[in-house]
Amino acid sequence: GAVVSQHPSRVICKSGTSVKIECRSLDFQATTMFWYRQFPKKSLMLMATSNEGSKATYEQGVEKDKFLINHASLTLSTLTVTSAHPEDSSFYICSAQPDRPEKLFFGSGTQLSVL
Amino acid sequence: AQSVTQPDIHITVSEGASLELRCNYSYGATPYLFWYVQSPGQGLQLLLKYFSGDTLVQGIKGFEAEFKRSQSSFNLRKPSVHWSDAAEYFCAVGPGTNDMRFGAGTRLTVKP
Repeated sequence: GAVVSQHPSRVICKSGTSVKIECRSLDFQATTMFWYRQFPKKSLMLMATSNEGSKATYEQGVEKDKFLINHASLTLSTLTVTSAHPEDSSFYICSAQPDRPEKLFFGSGTQLSVL
Repeated sequence: AQSVTQPDIHITVSEGASLELRCNYSYGATPYLFWYVQSPGQGLQLLLKYFSGDTLVQGIKGFEAEFKRSQSSFNLRKPSVHWSDAAEYFCAVGPGTNDMRFGAGTRLTVKP
């Protein structure tokens, strides 16, 4: 089956630093990738949709200058949390969609802890 | 606007017992419906999905779900639960995999 690799799986950083999370589709080309945020014991909240070669579309309430998304190739999307603060601590999950819209594959998530 | 409700936050069942996880949705057209399972600290794995056709959908790991349009429900069932089924389960709805909305999740605990 299709595999989506998300890295790192866990990151701890100091307040004010920036953190980059990578999402790679290993055996297919992902025209669209999604980024979600999940709080403890809560559901996934869609943050943004990224399409290769174009600007990401952010959901209402998500700061695009805070959460920078780059989808530079058909196999890689990155989420950069800029000037991270403790309230940004969360579990971030990406998903990748190949050319068939009913297919969607999830990464294993990144636990971000900001001290 | 589309939304998903999972009424049960936490369910505990004994191993070998049957399971039903509830999911109700609100959607303006015929929805695409999904059930995902998440183990602690992990991403999501698709259990099954409904797009059209037979309203009883078979998935992986012995799970099935039934789409009932009249009740706006898509409940997940398994006839005999295994200890390895303990996890968080999410129902999702959308026009496809784009713009999916997830329910709050149901945590399943399996007693020996």
